[in-house]
Amino acid sequence: GAVVSQHPSWVICKSGTSVKIECRSLDFQATTMFWYRQFPKQSLMLMATSNEGSKATYEQGVEKDKFLINHASLTLSTLTVTSAHPEDSSFYICSASGGAILGGELFFGEGSRLTVL
Amino acid sequence: AQSVTQLGSHVSVSEGALVLLRCNYSSSVPPYLFWYVQYPNQGLQLLLKYTSAATLVKGINGFEAEFKKSETSFHLTKPSAHMRDAAEYFCAVSDASSGGYNKLIFGAGTRLAVHP
Repeated sequence: GAVVSQHPSWVICKSGTSVKIECRSLDFQATTMFWYRQFPKQSLMLMATSNEGSKATYEQGVEKDKFLINHASLTLSTLTVTSAHPEDSSFYICSASGGAILGGELFFGEGSRLTVL
Repeated sequence: AQSVTQLGSHVSVSEGALVLLRCNYSSSVPPYLFWYVQYPNQGLQLLLKYTSAATLVKGINGFEAEFKKSETSFHLTKPSAHMRDAAEYFCAVSDASSGGYNKLIFGAGTRLAVHP
């Protein structure tokens, strides 16, 4: 089946630094990718929708200057948490849509756990 | 607007017992409905989906769910629980008119514990 890979799986950084998380579709082209955030023991909250070659669409309440999303190719989207603070610590999950070719199904990455000290 | 309500944040069953995880949805348009499973520190795996075809949907690992429009429900069941079923389960809804799979709205999740 279609595989989505996230890197890194775990990252610890100091407050004030920026962290980049990659989301790759390994064996299909992802027309659309989604970024979710999940706090401990809570559900997934959609942060933004990313379409290749265009600006991401952010959900209400998500700071676009804080969470920079780039979808430069059909197989790669990146989420950069800028000037990270402890409250940004969370589990970030991406999903990718293969479009009509794959029946529109979403495939999820393994997630990336960010801890900001 | 669409929303999902999962009744019961924690469900505990004995191994071999029936599993029933409840999901009710709200949608002003025909919905697509999904159940996902999440193991600790991992992403989500699709268990099954309803996309306006058969109302009784069979998924992986012996799970199934029935779409009941009159009750706006999509409960997940499994006749006999295994220890490996212990995980977090999420019900999700999407807008069928948008192609179905995009922009999923997730419920709060139900943690299933299976004890010997």
